[in-house]
Amino acid sequence: EIVLTQSPATLSLSPGERATLSCRASQSVSSYLAWYQQKPGQAPRLLIYDASNRATGIPARFSGSGSGTDFTLTISSLEPEDFAVYYCQQRSNCPCSFGQGTKLEIK
Amino acid sequence: QITLKESGPTLVKPTQTLTLTCTFSGFSLSTSGVGVGWIRQPPGKALEWLALIYWNDDKRYSPSLKSRLTITKDTSKNQVVLTMTNMDPVDTATYYCAHSSGSSWLDYWGQGTLVTVSS
Repeated sequence: EIVLTQSPATLSLSPGERATLSCRASQSVSSYLAWYQQKPGQAPRLLIYDASNRATGIPARFSGSGSGTDFTLTISSLEPEDFAVYYCQQRSNCPCSFGQGTKLEIK
Repeated sequence: QITLKESGPTLVKPTQTLTLTCTFSGFSLSTSGVGVGWIRQPPGKALEWLALIYWNDDKRYSPSLKSRLTITKDTSKNQVVLTMTNMDPVDTATYYCAHSSGSSWLDYWGQGTLVTVSS
């Protein structure tokens, strides 16, 4: 089973700042990694798939990069609505798996 | 427009079997590449991937829960059913079903249903 480790667990930033979230896989997942955003009381929303492709309707300030075992989600300039929990997920070898999440909070 | 909705008991007793139904619209589970997955989230904790069934009846399960899970589909009813045996209080969680495109990404989610395991 592939284990995904996200860092940091919590990231405290201000609106307008740049956010960088990390996801590391226990073995290579090629580019088969996605990022989801979850706000309190809501279901997760797909942001990025195949490491770097934005899902439909996702703003350009969200970008993903990486391959193999190391991946990054970048939010170029934080908007108030971006403060949420972010999860990475791999599908290289389903059963798929999620990371434990990074909480992005307002500083 | 793709929509999914989970249904089932809100409360189950320890050792009982949980049966959850995902009823969907806007797509067919007989279309090549399509799948429906189940994911759960204990209160205040992370998402946990549980199972996924594909249009061709290929099934994948979480290794840690594989012995307790069964996922099935009824294409004519647009439903996917997840059963989990031997429920325990640690299985208390919100259970989500989600649509999977041909790439297995979960691009549409249901609202989730909270299941509490308690005697």
